[in-house]
Amino acid sequence: AQKVTQAQTEISVVEKEDVTLDCVYETRDTTYYLFWYKQPPSGELVFLIRRNSFDEQNEISGRYSWNFQKSTSSFNFTITASQVVDSAVYFCAQTDYGGSQGNLIFGKGTKLSVKP
Amino acid sequence: DSGVTQTPKHLITATGQRVTLRCSPRSGDLSVYWYQQSLDQGLQFLIQYYNGEERAKGNILERFSAQQFPDLHSELNLSSLELGDSALYFCASSVVPWGGNEQFFGPGTRLTVL
Repeated sequence: AQKVTQAQTEISVVEKEDVTLDCVYETRDTTYYLFWYKQPPSGELVFLIRRNSFDEQNEISGRYSWNFQKSTSSFNFTITASQVVDSAVYFCAQTDYGGSQGNLIFGKGTKLSVKP
Repeated sequence: DSGVTQTPKHLITATGQRVTLRCSPRSGDLSVYWYQQSLDQGLQFLIQYYNGEERAKGNILERFSAQQFPDLHSELNLSSLELGDSALYFCASSVVPWGGNEQFFGPGTRLTVL
């Protein structure tokens, strides 16, 4: 069965430090999709990135970057030069049933605290 | 702002009662999903609708039901409420449910059962 593991429950860093959030997924599907969402203290879930199983290229968006490695079933997220506004819970997720149904399986989340 | 709206934002009720949560998807999105977020269970998928039809079910209790109306808005009905139903309920929408389309989440409804 599909499963997403975020082993880091909480991380605390000082502003301007780089931080990597780990995500390990399990699936038997050859086609699947992976996502990262951010949940700031206000509570809403904000979409950050989607990656499909055929595209292992790393992606960079400003201070955010993602490293997708099928060989280790990992989809890690790095924030460079962290800022206080990055403080949030970050969720990694994958599609169920290879993406044919669309519903997401979420990890437990990693709470990131960035201190000034 | 994701474009997905949910009402009400907060709901406080008593055990045994019934409540209805409402969701309007983003313009153009045909698929609606309901998720429950609680401290012990995390974020869990409940149920999915596509163009008015139920398409997938997750860990949804029999006391809970949902529907999607012709105008594509959706309602989640929770009945015989128990203390353990207290949670944040999210609605999300996507264009279609397949192909890994990104889901955009509403602000959530925080349900407190006393």
